[in-house]
Amino acid sequence: EAGVTQFPSHSVIEKGQTVTLRCDPISGHDNLYWYRRVMGKEIKFLLHFVKESKQDESGMPNNRFLAERTGGTYSTLKVQPAELEDSGVYFCASSQDRGTGVREQYFGPGTRLTVT
Amino acid sequence: AQSVAQPEDQVNVAEGNPLTVKCTYSVSGNPYLFWYVQYPNRGLQFLLKYITGDNLVKGSYGFEAEFNKSQTSFHLKKPSALVSDSALYFCAVRDSRGSGDKLTFGTGTRLAVRP
Repeated sequence: EAGVTQFPSHSVIEKGQTVTLRCDPISGHDNLYWYRRVMGKEIKFLLHFVKESKQDESGMPNNRFLAERTGGTYSTLKVQPAELEDSGVYFCASSQDRGTGVREQYFGPGTRLTVT
Repeated sequence: AQSVAQPEDQVNVAEGNPLTVKCTYSVSGNPYLFWYVQYPNRGLQFLLKYITGDNLVKGSYGFEAEFNKSQTSFHLKKPSALVSDSALYFCAVRDSRGSGDKLTFGTGTRLAVRP
């Protein structure tokens, strides 16, 4: 079974440019999450999709960030325009439908974003 | 609000010795607790979780963690450390009451196992 994949692995852009990160969850996982780790700090939740719907976007920092999950498969996270403080590692995770259980989230390798 | 504290930035241990990586948490309801590990240039890998039941949880690679409700702790342990255990370890919590599925992570603890 393939794991969560993310593209690109690294991205270096200038302040004011636009970047789009992509996440492909594990096949069959309805839940998809985005997290971010700024250097040396904790990993912070950004948002949660259930299929194509945004279940919780309470962690999105501001309206420069736009997440989509068309068709309930892969997801994109666009940052426009990028600022210096957006630098960090962006993780995507997915999990199966909860049902009556608490499912662990499976994480991708992350995209390291550097804004100069 | 939920929170996690990992008081040690780094833990150093000799190969073959027992290791402990500390984690304390704060939630309003009952906690769901997780440990993840990140090896260099890799994503987070799930190690183990506590949902309910036995306070001692066993996970991957010989790791275990003990849930202590009175001390609000969930320390990660291993009886005999390996050099290959050297990595970054994250504790995470999810509140059983509200707040959805989101995980709240600690800042991470770097484990260094010397030969």
